[in-house]
Amino acid sequence: GQQLNQSPQSMFIQEGEDVSMNCTSSSIFNTWLWYKQDPGEGPVLLIALYKAGELTSNGRLTAQFGITRKDSFLNISASIPSDVGIYFCAGRLGNEKLTFGTGTRLTIIP
Amino acid sequence: EAGVTQSPTHLIKTRGQQVTLRCSPISGHTSVYWYQQALGLGLQFLLWYDEGEERNRGNFPPRFSGRQFPNYSSELNVNALELEDSALYLCASSLVVSTDTQYFGPGTRLTVL
Repeated sequence: GQQLNQSPQSMFIQEGEDVSMNCTSSSIFNTWLWYKQDPGEGPVLLIALYKAGELTSNGRLTAQFGITRKDSFLNISASIPSDVGIYFCAGRLGNEKLTFGTGTRLTIIP
Repeated sequence: EAGVTQSPTHLIKTRGQQVTLRCSPISGHTSVYWYQQALGLGLQFLLWYDEGEERNRGNFPPRFSGRQFPNYSSELNVNALELEDSALYLCASSLVVSTDTQYFGPGTRLTVL
């Protein structure tokens, strides 16, 4: 099925570093969502975005709905060990089903 | 408030068998979605139910089927299991189809031997 292009595929960072990842689509969306998945568990919703240009924060996480409506960005500041996991973006247009990104695997190097 | 629940948590089957997975949405949510996540891969959309009706279906063979009950809980059935059906099966629910976000359950880990 269709998937969004998410980059990078994986990241290896040191604790305390900031993280940036993004998601791009060939078509526009009017909803962007960011999820985090820990091993063996279901994804947990981090941030929801509903308006082009919108910038929303959730603690150390900040996400933006791209102005073109074809992309979204997620930043994590001052990473900590519990940030480890896979981050998925997801987009939706109208009443259509959610389309998920391919995921960014975040690993923190001791 | 209880989240999305799924049962069983783990399941081991052999090729050719049939399996039924169950999902209970968050109270008040009417839409239920099923996804397949093979090891190390992203989420592949399987099925979407809303108010008891199938609203959309992913690119999976007909041996993947399901239904939604009047209490909005849902079942996913997979017939004639194949080795590549081994995956984490995730259920999600949402309040309103068009505008609300999806909340996921912990998943059912299916292993086909």
